[in-house]
Amino acid sequence: GQQLNQSPQSMFIQEGEDVSMNCTSSSIFNTWLWYKQDPGEGPVLLIALYKAGELTSNGRLTAQFGITRKDSFLNISASIPSDVGIYFCALTSGTYKYIFGTGTRLKVLA
Amino acid sequence: DAGITQSPRYKITETGRQVTLMCHQTWSHSYMFWYRQDLGHGLRLIYYSAAADITDKGEVPDGYVVSRSKTENFPLTLESATRSQTSVYFCASWGTGVNSPLHFGNGTRLTVT
Repeated sequence: GQQLNQSPQSMFIQEGEDVSMNCTSSSIFNTWLWYKQDPGEGPVLLIALYKAGELTSNGRLTAQFGITRKDSFLNISASIPSDVGIYFCALTSGTYKYIFGTGTRLKVLA
Repeated sequence: DAGITQSPRYKITETGRQVTLMCHQTWSHSYMFWYRQDLGHGLRLIYYSAAADITDKGEVPDGYVVSRSKTENFPLTLESATRSQTSVYFCASWGTGVNSPLHFGNGTRLTVT
């Protein structure tokens, strides 16, 4: 079946540092999405990527859809305490079928 | 406000009891989903529905029942709760547009004692 590997599983960083996380897939998909889950809440969409090579920003967040269509990364610049949470990558071929990564748990030390 | 609402937010029940988790969305999205989230497993699909009166199994459907008599509601029932069903349950909806993302509710944390 499809495999979606997300790394790192967790990370502690100092406030102000930049953060990078990535996902790789065993298959090619049309759409990569990045979600954030705050403690006690549901996942919220951060960035959606629809084309290979696409680089998209949302404030301090930047994500890219890899050229091979099998990977994506998410960068957070100048982290702040409210960046704490779990970040998920997700894949879809444009249908209702989504595959989720197991998440990167981010903790920011003030 | 438009959105997707789950209730209750927290539920404690005993093994063997029946419990129903509610989900309501105001977007008129065709598709609705139930996921469970457990440490080490991420989000796993339990059931989904493509429209009113159309439901289908996901990855982990055993022990769960769903119904969808109205487009906006998609309740999930645990017929006889087991401890292994202790989890956080998320309802989601999808608007069928090619670039339409999945939208999640805030979750129900269920503990089965």
